[in-house]
Amino acid sequence: QQQVKQSPQSLIVQKGGISIINCAYENTAFDYFPWYQQFPGKGPALLIAIRPDVSEKKEGRFTISFNKSAKQFSLHIMDSQPGDSATYFCAALISGTYKYIFGTGTRLKVLA
Amino acid sequence: GAVVSQHPSRVICKSGTSVKIECRSLDFQATTMFWYRQFPKQSLMLMATSNEGSKATYEQGVEKDKFLINHASLTLSTLTVTSAHPEDSSFYICSARDFRDSNEKLFFGSGTQLSVL
Repeated sequence: QQQVKQSPQSLIVQKGGISIINCAYENTAFDYFPWYQQFPGKGPALLIAIRPDVSEKKEGRFTISFNKSAKQFSLHIMDSQPGDSATYFCAALISGTYKYIFGTGTRLKVLA
Repeated sequence: GAVVSQHPSRVICKSGTSVKIECRSLDFQATTMFWYRQFPKQSLMLMATSNEGSKATYEQGVEKDKFLINHASLTLSTLTVTSAHPEDSSFYICSARDFRDSNEKLFFGSGTQLSVL
């Protein structure tokens, strides 16, 4: 199954709060999991990425948690700011290929 | 991070005309580039994979004669929407695969909003 299921579809968080976006997959052939941030009218920007041999990766306020056995990974945005308001996409790369599968996106709104 | 430049950012054209969109990798060589289409509030829909020096690979349902892709160099891929019609109006985004130092990364251009009148 070459799908990546992303939730929630939309999320509203207060300034300073933690935003959590989840993705789940079934294909065990995925071996690279990036997250992208997209502002309206712009292309997606690579935020942070992880490989399945690591359970967590942190870059600044952004953290990926990866649960290989559950086939789930999540993005945590700490101390969320209004400037983080955007659409976030998770993705997965099929091992041995250059084919990326994207999640359906999460529209995050951080209230000031 | 690596930069992928996409031009134009916005284009308005008359029905029946052709439009060319350029995608350049500015600081790395990209043997593989991708073209996507994105409808409002939706995810990225892969249209085709552009391979330098060879024919593009199109996804099922994408008309290759309508969406011409050329990847003539390691830093440039172009998408030409031929005989554009209003239903082709959409946001088109390219991406380029960066595999320097065996680290896989995919970088996107800034997108092109196509409006066909």
